[in-house]
Amino acid sequence: AQSVTQPDIHITVSEGASLELRCNYSYGATPYLFWYVQSPGQGLQLLLKYFSGDTLVQGIKGFEAEFKRSQSSFNLRKPSVHWSDAAEYFCAAEGDYKLSFGAGTTVTVRA
Amino acid sequence: GAGVSQSPRYKVAKRGQDVALRCDPISGHVSLFWYQQALGQGPEFLTYFQNEAQLDKSGLPSDRFFAERPEGSVSTLKIQRTQQEDSAVYLCATREGRNQPQHFGDGTRLSIL
Repeated sequence: AQSVTQPDIHITVSEGASLELRCNYSYGATPYLFWYVQSPGQGLQLLLKYFSGDTLVQGIKGFEAEFKRSQSSFNLRKPSVHWSDAAEYFCAAEGDYKLSFGAGTTVTVRA
Repeated sequence: GAGVSQSPRYKVAKRGQDVALRCDPISGHVSLFWYQQALGQGPEFLTYFQNEAQLDKSGLPSDRFFAERPEGSVSTLKIQRTQQEDSAVYLCATREGRNQPQHFGDGTRLSIL
């Protein structure tokens, strides 16, 4: 069955420190991959996407993600977090047309 | 604005009532999706439209759920005889075409008392 796993439910990081959020997928073929961010009471905002090509993808707000086929992973990174990065982050995969989401990782930023 | 617009933002209904949730897509976006997001969970697919055609409704939880997009633009998700387990955020997403990402609205938070 197609699935997306985000192993970390909650991550706390200090402002200015680096951040890495993990995502693993299980699909028959390599799906399209996405990271979305959701602030409280808001919808999902697209951070970045991977369709094919370069395995290091740059997104908005200083985020990047690396696709690793051998590990079925698509981890999200940011070198230096800001307090405004506190939010819920969702990894998603598209195998045909619909998205399958992970359960999300809540990021807390401490001063 | 240019984004996906959903209304109402919040809806409270008594168990057994019918509700209707609206989604206004980004202009020109032919594909439209509905997702259900339970508290503390990731969104779950409900249904998919290509223009006015409903191509996939496999995610609708029961026959109490019905979605339509009669003119290929605005879509309505209707829930009949609501139950407490229907309480969730309902998200609408649209995209211009294949190989394009889905863009989400802010959702409708439905609470069934």
